[in-house]
Amino acid sequence: GDSVTQMEGPVTLSEEACLTINCTYTATGYPSLFWYVQYPGEGLQLLLKATKADDKGSNKGFEATYRKETTSFHLEKGSVQVSDSAVYFCALCQGAQKLVFGQGTRLTINP
Amino acid sequence: DTAVSQTPKYLVTQMGNDKSIKCEQNLGHDTMYWYKQDSKKFLKIMFSYNNKELIINETVPNRFSPKSPDKAHLNLHINSLELGDSAVYFCASSSSGRSTDTQYFGPGTRLTVL
Repeated sequence: GDSVTQMEGPVTLSEEACLTINCTYTATGYPSLFWYVQYPGEGLQLLLKATKADDKGSNKGFEATYRKETTSFHLEKGSVQVSDSAVYFCALCQGAQKLVFGQGTRLTINP
Repeated sequence: DTAVSQTPKYLVTQMGNDKSIKCEQNLGHDTMYWYKQDSKKFLKIMFSYNNKELIINETVPNRFSPKSPDKAHLNLHINSLELGDSAVYFCASSSSGRSTDTQYFGPGTRLTVL
């Protein structure tokens, strides 16, 4: 079945550092890909998405590019802030219309 | 004007009890979902409904029974609660259930079974 594998966490960085959280997927078709973020004590919010190969999703300084050849959707940000501390989930959706999530990556940014 | 709301936010109960969680969305969406997040933060789909019709039932024990009285509501009733049911339950909705649609999540209900 479809699956998503994310970089193991937790990840701890200093403010203004560069961030990459790796995400790869396995799917039989052509899924849509998502990054969701969960701030402490809150529900999930969409961070960005890409619905076809080579699409780049971007929001709040975060970017991810849908790479069909490497089945990847890595999340990047050039300069992180303390307020970016959260759990980040990579997910795919296709066909059955259910989100299949990775295990989540906890990110902590120190001032 | 919360888009997807859930009640209650916290639920603490004894094993064997029956409890319900309610979900409402005011986005005019056709499709609603229940997800379970375990203690390790892993998220998994439980059910989805489209226009009040059950679309996905993801091998969930039949102690869990979703009910959708109308498109804006999807409730989750759990019978004979077990320790392993302790988790955070998230409701979500999307406009039409297409794979490209964004799913909007509620704030979650933290269920603790003692």
